[in-house]
Amino acid sequence: EIVLTQSPDTLSLSPGERATLSCRASQSISSFLAWYQQKPGQAPRLLIYDASNRATGIPARFSGSGSGTDFTLTISSLEPEDFAVYYCQQRSNWLTFGGGTKVEIK
Amino acid sequence: EVQLVQSGAEVKQPGESLKISCKGSGYSFTNYWIGWVRQMPGKGLEWMGIIYPSDSETRYSPSFQGQVTISADKSISTAYLQWSGLKASDTAIYYCARRSNNNYFYWGQGTLVTVSS
Repeated sequence: EIVLTQSPDTLSLSPGERATLSCRASQSISSFLAWYQQKPGQAPRLLIYDASNRATGIPARFSGSGSGTDFTLTISSLEPEDFAVYYCQQRSNWLTFGGGTKVEIK
Repeated sequence: EVQLVQSGAEVKQPGESLKISCKGSGYSFTNYWIGWVRQMPGKGLEWMGIIYPSDSETRYSPSFQGQVTISADKSISTAYLQWSGLKASDTAIYYCARRSNNNYFYWGQGTLVTVSS
């Protein structure tokens, strides 16, 4: 099973700041990585697929990069509605999620 | 408009059986894989399995193989997740999601299952 390790567990930032979230795979997954946002009481929302492609309706402040084993989700300037938990997910070998990174208001 | 509507919250006792549902609308139900995801209280997301409603081909995560059954009734555009003997550790929110182009963009609202004596 491919294990995804996300870091940090929690990111404390202020609105307007840049957020950088990391996801590392236990083996190469090419670019088969997606990022999701989840807010309390809501279903996950697909943000990025295939490492760097924004899903329909996702603002340009969200961007993804990486390939192989190391991936990054960047939120260029945090809006109040961006404070949430973010998960990475691979589809190279079955489907697995990372443990999540909580982006909280500082 | 694509929608996945899940059945309502359930409260069950240990050992009971349960079947929850996910009804698709606004698209051709048989043409897209449907997956199920578990989220235990305060925890992360876990893929359980996926089903292709056209022929009911099903794939399970090793962690859930033999623990649950995923099925679909294409005549009513509905996918199911069922247990034959619930445990307290099955307490969680369960989400269904539709795959398109290998990604899961559309999600149901979630079904809370509580197992308690």
